[in-house]
Amino acid sequence: GAGVSQSPSNKVTEKGKDVELRCDPISGHTALYWYRQSLGQGLEFLIYFQGNSAPDKSGLPSDRFSAERTGGSVSTLTIQRTQQEDSAVYLCASSLVQISGNTIYFGEGSWLTVV
Amino acid sequence: GENVEQHPSTLSVQEGDSAVIKCTYSDSASNYFPWYKQELGKGPQLIIDIRSNVGEKKDQRIAVTLNKTAKHFSLHITETQPEDSAVYFCAATGYSTLTFGKGTMLLVSP
Repeated sequence: GAGVSQSPSNKVTEKGKDVELRCDPISGHTALYWYRQSLGQGLEFLIYFQGNSAPDKSGLPSDRFSAERTGGSVSTLTIQRTQQEDSAVYLCASSLVQISGNTIYFGEGSWLTVV
Repeated sequence: GENVEQHPSTLSVQEGDSAVIKCTYSDSASNYFPWYKQELGKGPQLIIDIRSNVGEKKDQRIAVTLNKTAKHFSLHITETQPEDSAVYFCAATGYSTLTFGKGTMLLVSP
């Protein structure tokens, strides 16, 4: 596609429910990243994929968070038993390959509100 | 790991003035320093980047400088315009992922 596509763009969920956020990277990009941005805050790294494998999961805040990537393309970030502190914008990004200095392109984000 | 500090957190200027945003980083192995602009309700967009083998880079009204010895880099915007109003993030990486500063909200008044 022309850019990184994320869905849903907005999601309101009840505390305790599970949510799935989807990311479709730029066609041909092998590296995919998930970041979280809380209101008025910077971007917090969650996880990145090179192909279908995730060499770095160090940013996942708890075991309620998981992510997978299939076919080297689409990725899904799953948050189980959502809590109010999970409310944030979840940003996906991709780059051609995972090399320092390779331009990283962001999607528009999925705005998650847990009530 | 890498730690990036960004200042100021907010910056208000008059249209036509210059704006400077500064960042410091901790990991001497970092070698790539991009700057992103984020408008309200949108994802961050890359506006300029610099690699460690270069001290300065310019693109029209935007320039970035890098001082590897002091481990700091800066974004300079000249002749600011109201459409430059946004949140700007600096970032640094030498390994797998970008570490971001906390952002600077730039407000350009007409």
